[in-house]
Amino acid sequence: EAGVTQFPSHSVIEKGQTVTLRCDPISGHDNLYWYRRVMGKEIKFLLHFVKESKQDESGMPNNRFLAERTGGTYSTLKVQPAELEDSGVYFCASSPNRDRSRETQYFGPGTRLLVL
Amino acid sequence: QKEVEQNSGPLSVPEGAIASLNCTYSDRVSQSFFWYRQYSGKSPELIMSIYSNGDKEDGRFTAQLNKASQYVSLLIRDSQPSDSATYLCAAFMNRDDKIIFGKGTRLHILP
Repeated sequence: EAGVTQFPSHSVIEKGQTVTLRCDPISGHDNLYWYRRVMGKEIKFLLHFVKESKQDESGMPNNRFLAERTGGTYSTLKVQPAELEDSGVYFCASSPNRDRSRETQYFGPGTRLLVL
Repeated sequence: QKEVEQNSGPLSVPEGAIASLNCTYSDRVSQSFFWYRQYSGKSPELIMSIYSNGDKEDGRFTAQLNKASQYVSLLIRDSQPSDSATYLCAAFMNRDDKIIFGKGTRLHILP
C-alpha cells in the first residue's frame, strides 16, 4: 500500500510569489491534516479535512494560506503571496475516520519550503 | 507553559544502554499519547501509543504514562545506532480536539 506522498519535496521561491503544495493521502483515509514545522519549533497543526470538508482550520496562519481537497482525495495548500516567515517544512498526514483520539496519523515526507 | 514539552537534547547514549526520553503535557484531561520517531529529512513515524497509566512494552520500546504527574516517557532498551533520530512526543488534547506535538528530543546513540 502506498504511503502519504507530497509534492514537491523542495521549493525555493522569492517573497511575493505563489507556491502550491500537494498531498496525496493513503487511499481510503478520510482524515487529512496539514502541519508545518518552522526551524527550531514544534510541528504545528494547520488544518484538518474530513473527506472534502474543512473540519478545523484554526491553525492556518492567515488568509494568504488556502487549502482545498476537491473530491475528498488529494489536497493542495497554496500560499499567496509567500512571505519570509512561511519558510519551513510542510507535512501532510492522513488517517482513517475512526476514533480520532487514538488514531495513527501517517505522515508524508514533507515539502521543504524556502522563501527568499 | 507549552502544551507538550520535551528536552530538545541532544541526548547521547552509549550503544547497548537504555535511552530514556521524557515529556510533560499541560491538558490534564488528555487521554491519548504518542511517540513518533523522525529520522533526519524523513517523515515522522508512529512507534508507540499509550492511553492508560502504567507501562506498555513493544519489543525494545517501553512507553510509560503517569496521568497524575502529566508525564509520559519512552525507554529504549539495548540502544542501537539505528535508534539515532528525533523522538516526538504528542498528545491528543481534548480541549483542542487535535494532536499537539512537542519539539522533539534528538537522540544520538554512540557506537
